Amino acid sequence: EIVLTQSPDTLSLSPGETATLSCRASQSFSSSNLAWYQQKPGQAPRLLFYGSTSRAAGIPDRFSGSGSGTDFTLTISRLEPEDFAVYYCQQYGGSPLYTFGQGTKLEIK
Amino acid sequence: QVQLQESGPGLVKPSQTPSLTCTVSGGSINSADFYWSWIRQAPGKGLEWIGSIYYSGNTYYNPSLKSRVNISIDTSKNQFSLTLSSVNAADTAVYYCARVQGVSYFRPWGQGTLVTVSS
Repeated sequence: EIVLTQSPDTLSLSPGETATLSCRASQSFSSSNLAWYQQKPGQAPRLLFYGSTSRAAGIPDRFSGSGSGTDFTLTISRLEPEDFAVYYCQQYGGSPLYTFGQGTKLEIK
Repeated sequence: QVQLQESGPGLVKPSQTPSLTCTVSGGSINSADFYWSWIRQAPGKGLEWIGSIYYSGNTYYNPSLKSRVNISIDTSKNQFSLTLSSVNAADTAVYYCARVQGVSYFRPWGQGTLVTVSS
């Protein structure tokens, strides 16, 4: 089973700062098979990235994705108030077919 | 654009077998390009993939839930459904349906429906 571990669990930052969120896998897989989501309270998750680095439609270029193998990163530059949310990474194609990380909560400091 | 809408029983008693339905609008569920999936989120917790179904009826399930889950599809109604047997309090969650292009990412998602298991 591919287990995704996100760190930190909670990240406290101020608007204008840069957030760096980590997603580490228990075994290596193709960077083509990693996605990132943003979830705000009471809402469904929203796709941010697929294939590790491909930004979904409507996602600002302040957001960037990177990584390979077992280590993947979501970076959010110049944080805006609307960016404070919970972020999940997700792998596809492994075993089970889909797994998610436990999430990182980005909160306003 | 495609939209998904879940419907479900809301409150169920332990040991019951609730069914949830996802209605797809703005596009056909009878497409070779997509899988249709269920994901759940317990209160205050993370996301858990439950299973996925293809328009042909082929299914893939999370091994952790496979013995209790059945996903079916009704292309005539543009709907797919989830049945979860022998529920207990640990199955209390918001249940989301979502579309998957091939084996990849989930987009779009429905708004979710809360299922509470309580006597």
